[in-house]
Parts: sequence; C-alpha cells; structure tokens
Amino acid sequence: EAQVTQNPRYLITVTGKKLTVTCSQNMNHEYMSWYRQDPGLGLRQIYYSMNVEVTDKGDVPEGYKVSRKEKRNFPLILESPSPNQTSLYFCASRDTGFSGNTIYFGEGSWLTVV
Amino acid sequence: GQSLEQPSEVTAVEGAIVQINCTYQTSGFYGLSWYQQHDGGAPTFLSYNGLDGLEEKGRFSSFLSRSKGYSYLLLKELQMKDSASYFCAVGSGGYQKVTFGTGTKLQVIP
Repeated sequence: EAQVTQNPRYLITVTGKKLTVTCSQNMNHEYMSWYRQDPGLGLRQIYYSMNVEVTDKGDVPEGYKVSRKEKRNFPLILESPSPNQTSLYFCASRDTGFSGNTIYFGEGSWLTVV
Repeated sequence: GQSLEQPSEVTAVEGAIVQINCTYQTSGFYGLSWYQQHDGGAPTFLSYNGLDGLEEKGRFSSFLSRSKGYSYLLLKELQMKDSASYFCAVGSGGYQKVTFGTGTKLQVIP
C-alpha cells in the first residue's frame, strides 16, 4: 500500500528539548515536504526536498531543520522547540513526473510544546 | 508570493449542489489543485486543473480561470460524508513550493 508514515503521531514536550519527527514514504518519490497546519491559516510549507541532499526553505522555516540522506526518509528536527511551534504537522511526498500534481500526505503529528 | 483566499465556512443541504470558491493573486503557477480534509485526518487529493476550464471527476468538478484569478470546486449530489474542509493549492517554481488556501469548512445538513 502506498503511504507516507510519520512518527510520533502525538507528542507533548517541553520548551527547549530537541525532538525529531520522522517521515518515510514507500512510493519512491523524489519530492518530499513538511507542512504545519494551524486554525485559520491553512497548511503552510516548512521545508521541501527535491532529492537526496537537496533541501530548501518553504514559507515558515524558522525554528526547523530537515535532512534528506535517503530518498525514502525526510525527518523534521526542532532543535529548541518553543510554544509557538505547537501545531499539527504533515509530511508529504509526490512524484516529479506527469502525475506530480498529486501530493500524498502522512496522517499528521500533533505536537504540543509546553 | 502566492495568496489564495477561500470562504471560511459554507453550509449546504444533502442532495444539493455547492460551489466553493478560491481567488488568488499570483504572478504564475503550474496549476491549481483541490484537497479534501476530514476532521482529524490528512488532506487527500481531489482534482487538478493544469489548463483553464472545467475538469470533472464524478460528483466533483473543478474550474480554473487564470485571467480572472479564480477557481471553484463544485460538489453535486451532496452526501453527509462530504462534510469536511476543502483547500485549493498552487505550485510554483517547478511545483517545488506549494501554497495552500485558507480552507473552507463545508457542513452538509439533512
């Protein structure tokens, strides 16, 4: 089954404690990205990656880091989380070919920073 | 940058037709997509307009007019399960950067 898997699904952490949200896709997609979703603001892109070792900033990259060492994995790193990073996070992937307009999302990770 | 505006909420009756609008201000993009998201779930792809005009997929249709900066999603024969949030989205820069609209929460009532 084609899917994007992210973990953890739910996390409560404290300010300043580094955390990583993992993301893995099994569709051999070159493109992966991270979004955060907040009420009234829709989905906002944090970072994206066009291929291994190729990453770039989206619209809201401050406070986040990413890495793409393998094609299937694209972890999101919060080095020093703050309460304003409390949000619902989605990892996503898509093909870069003709059907590349379809974005596949993971199930989401609810993150609370206290 | 891109800016896509949608009405925040729409209410419609089961069995009826509803139109959800998306207006945008952008200098160029590769096409416009629509996504559905149920409460607590992930967004799922509904449709894509790479060219101006109407695209039909079963009960769902989507329309794009680049010259007018306007798109809409049309849902026919509404069902209770269509109650969800709907987002328009555009890709730019080789579809690398993707911008989503603010989302429209559709409530279908009996």
